[in-house]
Amino acid sequence: GAVVSQHPSRVICKSGTSVKIECRSLDFQATTMFWYRQFPKQSLMLMATSNEGSKATYEQGVEKDKFLINHASLTLSTLTVTSAHPEDSSFYICSARAGAEAFFGQGTRLTVV
Amino acid sequence: AQSVTQPDIHITVSEGASLELRCNYSYGATPYLFWYVQSPGQGLQLLLKYFSGDTLVQGIKGFEAEFKRSQSSFNLRKPSVHWSDAAEYFCAVAAGNNRKLIWGLGTSLAVNP
Repeated sequence: GAVVSQHPSRVICKSGTSVKIECRSLDFQATTMFWYRQFPKQSLMLMATSNEGSKATYEQGVEKDKFLINHASLTLSTLTVTSAHPEDSSFYICSARAGAEAFFGQGTRLTVV
Repeated sequence: AQSVTQPDIHITVSEGASLELRCNYSYGATPYLFWYVQSPGQGLQLLLKYFSGDTLVQGIKGFEAEFKRSQSSFNLRKPSVHWSDAAEYFCAVAAGNNRKLIWGLGTSLAVNP
């Protein structure tokens, strides 16, 4: 199956700084990528849908200025958590769509201290 | 509105026993249905999917699922559970032009030796 690489897998940052998470489709082109946030013991919460070459579509309640998404190429989407605070600590997962199927990265554990 | 229901939040089975995880969906059109597995701190791995055709689909790791339109269900089964199957299982339906995934809340599976 298709491979999606997400980097970094784990990051600790200081409150007030920004963190960038990368999501790459390694062996296919993804016109659409999705960014999720997952709280402990809970399901995935869709944050935004990222389409190559256009602005991301954010789900209700997700701050677009807080969570900046860039999908500059068919194989790369990035999520930047700006001015991170401890409440932004979470597990972030990206997925890339190939046809009707979505393939997932391994997730990024973000801890803001 | 589209939705996915996984009625069982937590299930415990003995190793070697059979397993069935329930999933019910609400979707107006023909659904694209998925089962994913997530180990702690990891991304999601696709177990199997249903798009059309044979309503009994085979997946990886010995899992299978049966699509029953009349019951709006897509239950996951395995005849003999292994200790390594302990994980979180998510059912999802793909909706809309972007094939955005609608997620169930997940079922946590524990396996007793």
